[in-house]
Amino acid sequence: GENVEQHPSTLSVQEGDSAVIKCTYSDSASNYFPWYKQELGKRPQLIIDIRSNVGEKKDQRIAVTLNKTAKHFSLHITETQPEDSAVYFCAASITGKSTFGDGTTLTVKP
Amino acid sequence: DTEVTQTPKHLVMGMTNKKSLKCEQHMGHRAMYWYKQKAKKPPELMFVYSYEKLSINESVPSRFSPECPNSSLLNLHLHALQPEDSALYLCASSQADMGFLNYGYTFGSGTRLTVV
Repeated sequence: GENVEQHPSTLSVQEGDSAVIKCTYSDSASNYFPWYKQELGKRPQLIIDIRSNVGEKKDQRIAVTLNKTAKHFSLHITETQPEDSAVYFCAASITGKSTFGDGTTLTVKP
Repeated sequence: DTEVTQTPKHLVMGMTNKKSLKCEQHMGHRAMYWYKQKAKKPPELMFVYSYEKLSINESVPSRFSPECPNSSLLNLHLHALQPEDSALYLCASSQADMGFLNYGYTFGSGTRLTVV
């Protein structure tokens, strides 16, 4: 089955700095790559996604890049704010089934 | 309505009890999911329903029994659970496609289950 590795497991940045989280996947048939943000005690929420026919997608301060050849995708957050502090999960999806990475705990220090 | 509603929010049950978790959405999504999440871990897929039919069962023990009565409702029936089944149970829904397109999930807030 699909295996998704996510790094780093924890990330601490100063407010205003950029944050980058990286994921690799194993199954070349995966064709959809969502990112979820989960604040403490809350539900995961979809923040951005990318399909396998696209290399990059941006939504305000967040962007995702995909390298299909390397089976690698990344989340970039610019101008980080304290409210960006949360656990971020990447996922790789095949025919309706999403496999999640282990998560990255992002802390943004004011 | 852009939400997935789960009830109850908290549940404590004994190992001999039978209980049910409920999930409802009115976004017209035709795919619904049950995930299990342990503390500080990612969500782990249990079941997928597509167009009200069970399409994926991730080798979940039979003490967990899913049911999809209609396109808006998803239940998870629990019986003879073990303490290690204690976790946050998340329901999610998404658009569905008869081909191979995948879509992002809208998650419910979850049911925090404690088995004693």
